Order: sequence, then C-alpha cells, then structure tokens
Amino acid sequence: LAKTTQPISMDSYEGQEVNITCSHNNIATNDYITWYQQFPSQGPRFIIQGYKTKVTNEVASLFIPADRKSSTLSLPRVSLSDTAVYYCLVGEGMNRDDKIIFGKGTRLHILP
Amino acid sequence: SAVISQKPSRDICQRGTSLTIQCQVDSQVTMMFWYRQQPGQSLTLIATANQGSEATYESGFVIDKFPISRPNLTFSTLTVSNMSPEDSSIYLCSAGGTLNTEAFFGQGTRLTVV
Repeated sequence: LAKTTQPISMDSYEGQEVNITCSHNNIATNDYITWYQQFPSQGPRFIIQGYKTKVTNEVASLFIPADRKSSTLSLPRVSLSDTAVYYCLVGEGMNRDDKIIFGKGTRLHILP
Repeated sequence: SAVISQKPSRDICQRGTSLTIQCQVDSQVTMMFWYRQQPGQSLTLIATANQGSEATYESGFVIDKFPISRPNLTFSTLTVSNMSPEDSSIYLCSAGGTLNTEAFFGQGTRLTVV
C-alpha cells in the first residue's frame, strides 16, 4: 500500500471552497485514490474515488495530475457540518474486499 | 450500499473482564474487518474476519486478546479479553463490498475500562 501524506489540520470558513492535498509519491500503476470522511462519534464514510484526471460527485471533486503522485480533494462551499477528519487512501484496484489501512488524516475545522 | 449495526454502542467494563462486540450487516459481504480508534487518533486495523476460517491479525494484535468469530456472511463478533484500561477505545466494524463498491463502517463501540 502506498504511503500518503496530508496536512494534519486545516481551518476554513463557511461558504469557502476547501482543497485538501494528499501526496502519494509511490503510487503504483494499479492503485486508486480514495477519500473517506469521518464525523465525530461515527465511522468513516466513503466520499470519492478516482484513478486519474478529475472525478466529481454530489459531495466533492477529486483532482489527480498526470503523474498521479498527488491528489486534491475539493469541497465546494463548505458549511459547519463539513467539520470532520478526511482520510486519503491509496490502494490497488477498486475491490473493497481489500483491507483499508488509514493514515493520520486531515482534521478540517469550518468556522462560522 | 450496506448498513452495519454494532452492539453495544458503548460500555464501561471492569478490568480483567471480557466484552464481546457484535457486528451485523444487512446484506451478505465477502469481507469484514475490525478496527480500533483511540480518541483523536486514526483507525488501526486489528484483523480481517474471514468467514469459515480463522481471522487474520495485524502486527501487534493476537487472537488470545482479540478473538474474532465470523459464522456467516452477515455477522461477526470481536471479543476484547482480560481488559485493562489501555483497551479503552472505540472499536469499529467494517464490511467490504464486491468489486467497485466502497467499504462501509459501523458507528463504533465506545469501550471504557475502569
């Protein structure tokens, strides 16, 4: 499993766009990039997954440059309820039968 | 998607005793996993619960301390044995899906050992 590095914490304000970057220099050819969100007192929740370029869903966008050595999770117009820990994960394939090893994550704090 | 129910949601236990945590999934899943999360920390994988065979433990976790059962494709239990205050943590169950689906997590069991 490729090692990931992401900021320990970030602060932003309501209504702003938040971008969280994750470095994964040792990403392998078969690896996908997945982001999970964890609210206090809850289990992690899948946000988005991608392999290259850009992926967008109703929650977020994921930008992946051509070399795939980093990725950026973009949260548009955040609200207080987006305060959570965000985990960047890199692993082979989209088969979620694989065990997930979590890194330290980014603690995002949204201010009013 | 899959919905995962964990019981109990929290418990306070005496040191030296054991607690069994149950994890029920609303659909059949091939893989189930157990994690531990200390307050303010990330999740640490304890083991993979294999249906029909012994669980696969990660480094630092042993079967005698954390016995796991997986009698079928929708249910698993984790027992925290001979508890000490250091075992106070949140324990989470996770279920993997089939190809192209994400993993799902239970709400967790908050364990306090006194």
